[in-house]
Amino acid sequence: GDSVTQMEGPVTLSEEAFLTINCTYTATGYPSLFWYVQYPGEGLQLLLKATKADDKGSNKGFEATYRKETTSFHLEKGSVQVSDSAVYFCALSDRINDYKLSFGAGTTVTVRA
Amino acid sequence: KAGVTQTPRYLIKTRGQQVTLSCSPISGHRSVSWYQQTPGQGLQFLFEYFSETQRNKGNFPGRFSGRQFSNSRSEMNVSTLELGDSALYLCASSPRDRVETQYFGPGTRLLVL
Repeated sequence: GDSVTQMEGPVTLSEEAFLTINCTYTATGYPSLFWYVQYPGEGLQLLLKATKADDKGSNKGFEATYRKETTSFHLEKGSVQVSDSAVYFCALSDRINDYKLSFGAGTTVTVRA
Repeated sequence: KAGVTQTPRYLIKTRGQQVTLSCSPISGHRSVSWYQQTPGQGLQFLFEYFSETQRNKGNFPGRFSGRQFSNSRSEMNVSTLELGDSALYLCASSPRDRVETQYFGPGTRLLVL
């Protein structure tokens, strides 16, 4: 079945550092890929998405490119801020699984001033 | 446009009781999905409703049930609560078709004592 593997955290960075969170997936079909972010005490917010190979999703300085050849969707941001401290989830949805979201375990990111 | 709303936000119950959680999707959205989030199991899919019909279900016992009303609002019910049911329950809505992106509410945090 579908699965998502994220790099384990926690990740601690200084402000203005470069952030990358690795995400790889296994899917039978051609999934859509997502990054969601969860701030403390809140639900999930959609950060970005990509629906086909080579698509690049971007939002709030974050980017991720759908790489079919490496089955990856790594999240990157060039210069993080304290406000980026959160838990980041990589997820996929696939027609084979009726489009229910399959999530990675989440990566906790802490940015220090 | 208002986002997904969930009530109540926090709930404390004791073992053996039952609980009903409510979710109001974004206006115009017809699909509602429920997820359980726990530290140990992460985010797991419970079920999805579309046009008042359950069209997808995760691997949870029959104690977990749900329904959707004609205005697309949804409720989920957990009967005979167990300690392990303590979790954040997230509701997500999407406009129409299964390929659409899911937008999450803030969640209901349930504590079972």
